Amino acid sequence: NAGVTQTPKFQVLKTGQSMTLQCAQDMNHNSMYWYRQDPGMGLRLIYYSASEGTTDKGEVPNGYNVSRLNKREFSLRLESAAPSQTSVYFCASSEMDRSVYEQYFGPGTRLTVT
Amino acid sequence: GESVGLHLPTLSVQEGDNSIINCAYSNSASDYFIWYKQESGKGPQFIIDIRSNMDKRQGQRVTVLLNKTVKHLSLQIAATQPGDSAVYFCAEIRGNTPLVFGKGTRLSVIA
Repeated sequence: NAGVTQTPKFQVLKTGQSMTLQCAQDMNHNSMYWYRQDPGMGLRLIYYSASEGTTDKGEVPNGYNVSRLNKREFSLRLESAAPSQTSVYFCASSEMDRSVYEQYFGPGTRLTVT
Repeated sequence: GESVGLHLPTLSVQEGDNSIINCAYSNSASDYFIWYKQESGKGPQFIIDIRSNMDKRQGQRVTVLLNKTVKHLSLQIAATQPGDSAVYFCAEIRGNTPLVFGKGTRLSVIA
């Protein structure tokens, strides 16, 4: 099992450019999440998908869109990148059963917007 | 707003000593807490969890203590090793909402 995979690992964008961060999990998990992590900060939830076909906003959704393509894949799109979106982005997945909340995280995508 | 926080941003301990990382939470409705470890350049990794109806839970070299009276959570690491150097996050769950993470404590192990 690869667990949670993310592509790309690194990306540099110019202000106004768009891009999509890809995430896939092979653990048959129902729920998937996108977080951003800024220096000296904890993880902040951008969007999540409790189950295939549903998406919900998290704490910091502005400037992002998501697509739950299927049970395995959950992508994050920046339509018009801004310097404030420079961050490390983590995707995670979990069973989302009330008895099992452990989230499994991918290795992250380091994004720089100039 | 209500949030999960940490008392100390950095902690340095001698190899072999015990480490205690603290976390305060403000929402008494939180019913589940998790500790994550994040090594440099990697995603967070689950360490241990505890439900709000418990006071203590032990894992391998780690113990989590929950004091609901003062809304305080701690992670104890026994015989700290260089491989324990990382940032540690506590996170809470309230009902069916996703995890809320604290800012993290950096643990540095001195050989």
